[in-house]
Amino acid sequence: DAKTTQPNSMESNEEEPVHLPCNHSTISGTDYIHWYRQLPSQGPEYVIHGLTSNVNNRMASLAIAEDRKSSTLILHRATLRDAAVYYCIQRDNNNAGNMLTFGGGTRLMVKP
Amino acid sequence: DTGVSQNPRHKITKRGQNVTFRCDPISEHNRLYWYRQTLGQGPEFLTYFQNEAQLEKSRLLSDRFSAERPKGSFSTLEIQRTEQGDSAMYLCASRPEGLNRRGTGELFFGEGSRLTVL
Repeated sequence: DAKTTQPNSMESNEEEPVHLPCNHSTISGTDYIHWYRQLPSQGPEYVIHGLTSNVNNRMASLAIAEDRKSSTLILHRATLRDAAVYYCIQRDNNNAGNMLTFGGGTRLMVKP
Repeated sequence: DTGVSQNPRHKITKRGQNVTFRCDPISEHNRLYWYRQTLGQGPEFLTYFQNEAQLEKSRLLSDRFSAERPKGSFSTLEIQRTEQGDSAMYLCASRPEGLNRRGTGELFFGEGSRLTVL
């Protein structure tokens, strides 16, 4: 899978919105954007995914730029439990095995 | 709990010893993946199975590593003649096959097995 680019770390205050950016300038037309997060001492967990349109679920929202070269994961009200490493993954649609290629992710710190 | 289960959670061994990790996927999931994660890095793909067939292996999977899934259910990852560079978290993930591969592709991860090689 092609690589994505994310900031190494971000800080947020509790109960405030958080916008986590991701660049995926080499994305092709059928590649999906997936977000996973990894809480301390746990395996990664799925957050959200999208193709072209903005997506919402109970955990977060995903805003995808019109040219699809970037996206933003939005946590509407950060809690202390949202402190984690967030991974943005560009999934190659030709990847028959559905393997996900993780980058370094963004470490989100939430201050009370 | 019906999530992905990995054992042991922690393993400390001396260099040169063999270690084996076990992964029990979610019961209806026929795809199973192994990843390795070193400190401060994202997980790196090692190999995956569809049922009992090992369909892809990463270049990271040296000859000392072998993975099996003999009955298409649980899987084992064995590392022979461990080296200090093998120290890492070994993560297992599973998902059901048959979903539109353009669709979710959501992987369900276990909590990992942490290996420390002294």
